[in-house]
Amino acid sequence: KNEVEQSPQNLTAQEGEFITINCSYSVGISALHWLQQHPGGGIVSLFMLSSGKKKHGRLIATINIQEKHSSLHITASHPRDSAVYICAVTYGNKLVFGAGTILRVKS
Amino acid sequence: EPEVTQTPSHQVTQMGQEVILRCVPISNHLYFYWYRQILGQKVEFLVSFYNNEISEKSEIFDDQFSVERPDGSNFTLKIRSTKLEDSAMYFCASSEGTTSYNEQFFGPGTRLTVL
Repeated sequence: KNEVEQSPQNLTAQEGEFITINCSYSVGISALHWLQQHPGGGIVSLFMLSSGKKKHGRLIATINIQEKHSSLHITASHPRDSAVYICAVTYGNKLVFGAGTILRVKS
Repeated sequence: EPEVTQTPSHQVTQMGQEVILRCVPISNHLYFYWYRQILGQKVEFLVSFYNNEISEKSEIFDDQFSVERPDGSNFTLKIRSTKLEDSAMYFCASSEGTTSYNEQFFGPGTRLTVL
């Protein structure tokens, strides 16, 4: 069984700050996903990665397969980045989710 | 941009009643999923579906649950006799290929309230 742990659970930042959210998992996987959940509940896929690093705008995701660890970074954070960020891993033909990190960016 | 749609957005039902939650996946996608999120908890996998059959299901997905792709576009989740603990947000998702190599696209969710 794969366990997915995220840290921190809650994060409050000032606008412009650099943010890091961490994710670790317990068994080997084929891919890791970072998702964003808005207050209304909708889930949006941000990244899917199996190695290295991906960048999209101000978001950067990295993964270290050997250490079973991934990070999501947000550069120059903005209040509109406030959301729940969820790490999920591919395990079999399903996603196993972390509990999410609640991010609040204050202006 | 193509998207996954779900109906209804909110369903209120009495305990013991049957509910059907509907999803329209992205049209060229072949893999379909249902997940649920109880308020304040993490998202949990229910079932995956490919080639008109269940490919994987969780312990939650017991005999009270069933899925169907009745007409080539809709993908439904039926709960035969709802319980209070079935109250949750239910998300449908679809992907072009297996989840090992393909992003999943999520619908907006159906909030199910069982009274």
